[in-house]
Amino acid sequence: GDSVTQMEGPVTLSEEAFLTINCTYTATGYPSLFWYVQYPGEGLQLLLKATKADDKGSNKGFEATYRKETTSFHLEKGSVQVSDSAVYFCALKRKTGTASKLTFGTGTRLQVTL
Amino acid sequence: EAQVTQNPRYLITVTGKKLTVTCSQNMNHEYMSWYRQDPGLGLRQIYYSMNVEVTDKGDVPEGYKVSRKEKRNFPLILESPSPNQTSLYFCASSGGRSTAGQGALGTEAFFGQGTRLTVV
Repeated sequence: GDSVTQMEGPVTLSEEAFLTINCTYTATGYPSLFWYVQYPGEGLQLLLKATKADDKGSNKGFEATYRKETTSFHLEKGSVQVSDSAVYFCALKRKTGTASKLTFGTGTRLQVTL
Repeated sequence: EAQVTQNPRYLITVTGKKLTVTCSQNMNHEYMSWYRQDPGLGLRQIYYSMNVEVTDKGDVPEGYKVSRKEKRNFPLILESPSPNQTSLYFCASSGGRSTAGQGALGTEAFFGQGTRLTVV
């Protein structure tokens, strides 16, 4: 079945440091790939997405490129801020029968300190 | 404002006492689903619904029921809650069906703020 593997957290960085959160996936066909972010006490919200190979999703300084050859969708940001502290979920969406199903990774907690 | 509203946000109940968690969306989305979030396991889908009166099991449906009598509402029902159902629950909705092609695969899911359930 489909699966998404994320690096274990927590990830602790100083403000302005470079961020990478690794994500790899297993799926048949041509899934769409997403990064969702969950701030404390809130639901998940979409951070960025890519719907086909070599697409780059970007938002709020975060980027991720859909790499079909390595089945990866790593999240990067050049300079993190304290306000980026949250849990980040990588996810894939694939057509299964008559539905499109989202499969999530286990989440990676990011803590940014001053 | 586009939103998914869950109630209650927090709930403590006793084993075996039936409960319902409500979910409502104002975006006229066809697709709605319920997830539970547990440490180290991420989000797992409980049930989903592709439209009114159309529901199906997700990955972890045991002990749960759902209904979809109206497009905007998708309540989650625990007929006889047990302690292993203690979790953080999220409702989500999204527009576009898979039959719409690849475009539907790229559509965003909107999540509610979550319901933290404790069963003692």
